[in-house]
Amino acid sequence: KQEVTQIPAALSVPEGENLVLNCSFTDSAIYNLQWFRQDPGKGLTSLLLIQSSQREQTSGRLNASLDKSSGRSTLYIAASQPGDSATYLCAADSGSARQLTFGSGTQLTVLP
Amino acid sequence: SAVISQKPSRDICQRGTSLTIQCQVDSQVTMMFWYRQQPGQSLTLIATANQGSEATYESGFVIDKFPISRPNLTFSTLTVSNMSPEDSSIYLCSVVLWGYEQYFGPGTRLTVT
Repeated sequence: KQEVTQIPAALSVPEGENLVLNCSFTDSAIYNLQWFRQDPGKGLTSLLLIQSSQREQTSGRLNASLDKSSGRSTLYIAASQPGDSATYLCAADSGSARQLTFGSGTQLTVLP
Repeated sequence: SAVISQKPSRDICQRGTSLTIQCQVDSQVTMMFWYRQQPGQSLTLIATANQGSEATYESGFVIDKFPISRPNLTFSTLTVSNMSPEDSSIYLCSVVLWGYEQYFGPGTRLTVT
């Protein structure tokens, strides 16, 4: 059974810093790894999806990498802004049924 | 991406009653899922609701408690039956578009008193 872990659980940084959020998974036989953002009381916004054949994906100030062999993914946020404050969730897609296993999230606070 | 709406956005219900949550998508999708997010927790998959087949429930979730309908490719409902305070959660539907990426609705925040 796939298990997904995110470290740290919470992170507070000053505006402008570059930061890295970590995600690890126990079963390396994943199809995809998807990163989401969740604002308080809201649904999930898809940020990046990395397919198993890819090593990284980029969107604006966000860059996500995937290392299946080590069971790790990282989300890099460049030049953080207060608007980046949210909970970031990673989720592993481990089968053709497209069911996601979520980590517990990293709550990010970017201080102005 | 798809536009996904859920109704109601929130509700407060008494224990022992049932609530039906609707999920509407602006495009036709085969794969649809229902997740639960308990307070302070991450998301847990309740069931897969693919059109044309019976819903498939994950361990710990049963049809009598969470009946699901999927009448067409753009709509689904999840009913939370005989509610207790432990059912207080955010319930989210999601869909898969173009094979891989999954998109979520805004969620329904349920409080059971």
